[in-house]
Amino acid sequence: DQQVKQNSPSLSVQEGRISILNCDYTNSMFDYFLWYKKYPAEGPTFLISISSIKDKNEDGRFTVFLNKSAKHLSLHIVPSQPGDSAVYFCAASVVGSNYKLTFGKGTLLTVNP
Amino acid sequence: GAVVSQHPSRVICKSGTSVKIECRSLDFQATTMFWYRQFPKQSLMLMATSNEGSKATYEQGVEKDKFLINHASLTLSTLTVTSAHPEDSSFYICSARDRGLSPLHFGNGTRLTVT
Repeated sequence: DQQVKQNSPSLSVQEGRISILNCDYTNSMFDYFLWYKKYPAEGPTFLISISSIKDKNEDGRFTVFLNKSAKHLSLHIVPSQPGDSAVYFCAASVVGSNYKLTFGKGTLLTVNP
Repeated sequence: GAVVSQHPSRVICKSGTSVKIECRSLDFQATTMFWYRQFPKQSLMLMATSNEGSKATYEQGVEKDKFLINHASLTLSTLTVTSAHPEDSSFYICSARDRGLSPLHFGNGTRLTVT
């Protein structure tokens, strides 16, 4: 049972435009969410996180939005750059669980010059 | 920033042999490390939680006798795939966090191919 779902396996965006990556979750116990970026043959790199007490967190070009009632979060990248091309993983955890993360399957983002 | 080093990055072994993968936290102490496994186009699946000085906690469906985990110090955890078979071929990634509430930091992974 996939508790964290990224329903879009891929997304293609033009450089300078906004990239929106979506993630849905089913476990209402999740209270901490993270986005990781992964290049081929490398481990994931932490991008941005959000606690369930917030609905938005911003860091430079990256903004994560959380809609708890819909069990949905999204990552916005503005403006998108070719170097942003990578697989993006959404992950969720329960704070009291020793930060054990549950990952989605990832979305391959391609930013075209 | 925090760095997690994983070695080797790639290993090819014959069926029936054992392979050891090391995970080191380079600039922080990690009481807990996590081992993940990723199949092509799939999500990272947590295999086990490695606890310094105590036994690892395995996720359901992961054979603890096949995937031996040792976390002997605050900076090193090892995963040994024993009697490897072709179906064990996968991408194994370790992760760790320092003692604060920082997000997990990941190693670069190990691509295991069993022939």
